[in-house]
Amino acid sequence: AQSVSQHNHHVILSEAASLELGCNYSYGGTVNLFWYVQYPGQHLQLLLKYFSGDPLVKGIKGFEAEFIKSKFSFNLRKPSVQWSDTAEYFCAGREGSYIPTFGRGTSLIVHP
Amino acid sequence: DTGVSQDPRHKITKRGQNVTFRCDPISEHNHLYWYRQTLGQGPEFLTYFQNEAQLEKSRLLSDRFSAERPKGSFSTLEIQRTEQGDSAMYLCASSLDTAFYEQYFGPGTRLTVT
Repeated sequence: AQSVSQHNHHVILSEAASLELGCNYSYGGTVNLFWYVQYPGQHLQLLLKYFSGDPLVKGIKGFEAEFIKSKFSFNLRKPSVQWSDTAEYFCAGREGSYIPTFGRGTSLIVHP
Repeated sequence: DTGVSQDPRHKITKRGQNVTFRCDPISEHNHLYWYRQTLGQGPEFLTYFQNEAQLEKSRLLSDRFSAERPKGSFSTLEIQRTEQGDSAMYLCASSLDTAFYEQYFGPGTRLTVT
């Protein structure tokens, strides 16, 4: 089945540490990939998206992700996290115009 | 605020009762999705509308669940004869198109079945 998987379910970092959250997908064709963030008590918001072109995608709040087709990966990165980055992070993907499916999410806690 | 809105935000009901949730998408968005999210999991797809047509339904959507989108504007999700396993956050999302546009999510309706 087409799916998206996130292997890090809980990540705890100190402020200024670097972040990398893993996301792998299993689609075989043209793929659209997304990272969403859900801050405590708020709704899901788009961080960044990949449709085509440059595999290094820059999003809001200093986040970026790299699409590596050979590894079926779309990892999220941030060079220096802040306490305000504490949130749930969800990777999502779809093949062509199909319905997006979501990974189970990664809970990130950043200690000040 | 012209984002996706959902009503109610919280619903507590007794097992066996029927509940109905409403979603108002962003006005120009033709595509509307319902997802269910439980603790520690990502959103799971339930159903999808393009305008008023329900084009896709997940196998998760039992016959106790029904969704409508009359006139292609707001949508309702009804759960009949609720069960404790229906307790979850029900999310609505909308998008301008399916191929090259992202989804915008509402705040969700948290359902608790006692």
